[in-house]
Amino acid sequence: ILNVEQSPQSLHVQEGDSTNFTCSFPSSNFYALHWYRWETAKSPEALFVMTLNGDEKKKGRISATLNTKEGYSYLYIKGSQPEDSATYLCAFTYNQGGKLIFGQGTELSVKP
Amino acid sequence: DVKVTQSSRYLVKRTGEKVFLECVQDMDHENMFWYRQDPGLGLRLIYFSYDVKMKEKGDIPEGYSVSREKKERFSLILESASTNQTSMYLCASSSRDEDTDTQYFGPGTRLTVL
Repeated sequence: ILNVEQSPQSLHVQEGDSTNFTCSFPSSNFYALHWYRWETAKSPEALFVMTLNGDEKKKGRISATLNTKEGYSYLYIKGSQPEDSATYLCAFTYNQGGKLIFGQGTELSVKP
Repeated sequence: DVKVTQSSRYLVKRTGEKVFLECVQDMDHENMFWYRQDPGLGLRLIYFSYDVKMKEKGDIPEGYSVSREKKERFSLILESASTNQTSMYLCASSSRDEDTDTQYFGPGTRLTVL
């Protein structure tokens, strides 16, 4: 059974705080790691996809890193804003054209 | 922009009713997926389809069936709804030509079975 674990399950921070969450996945047979953001009442939106060990991706204040050898990815948000409040999902695939295996998500709440 | 639409945002049905959830995508994607999302469990794959008329079971297919008669449309059917099928249902699509397998999601249907 392939498991993807995310931590923490939920996080409450103040506006301006920087934060990070973790996604752990099987380190064998890795193909790609996806991060999605899911805001309430909206569709989950793709943030990043990473395929190579050591990959780092950045979009504005959000960045992600990937370590395929040890099976983890970090998502960082610098200077959190209330509009960053969402559930952040990671998903792992072990071959091209394969299914995405999702973690349970990290729910982020940013208070003004 | 990829657009994936789902027929209803909210749906309330009674136990035993037959329920149809419709999903339409406008990007000519070959692959389509149905998930359910429950608190603490993440997205779980119910069924997926790699082409018209094709379907494959996901991780939790029991109690569900699907139909893919046209490339753009993928329907999820609950033959006899039960209370344990109360959940958020998400549809997604992806292109066979995209090597990263990024999936594009609809807004979800929150189904309540009474």
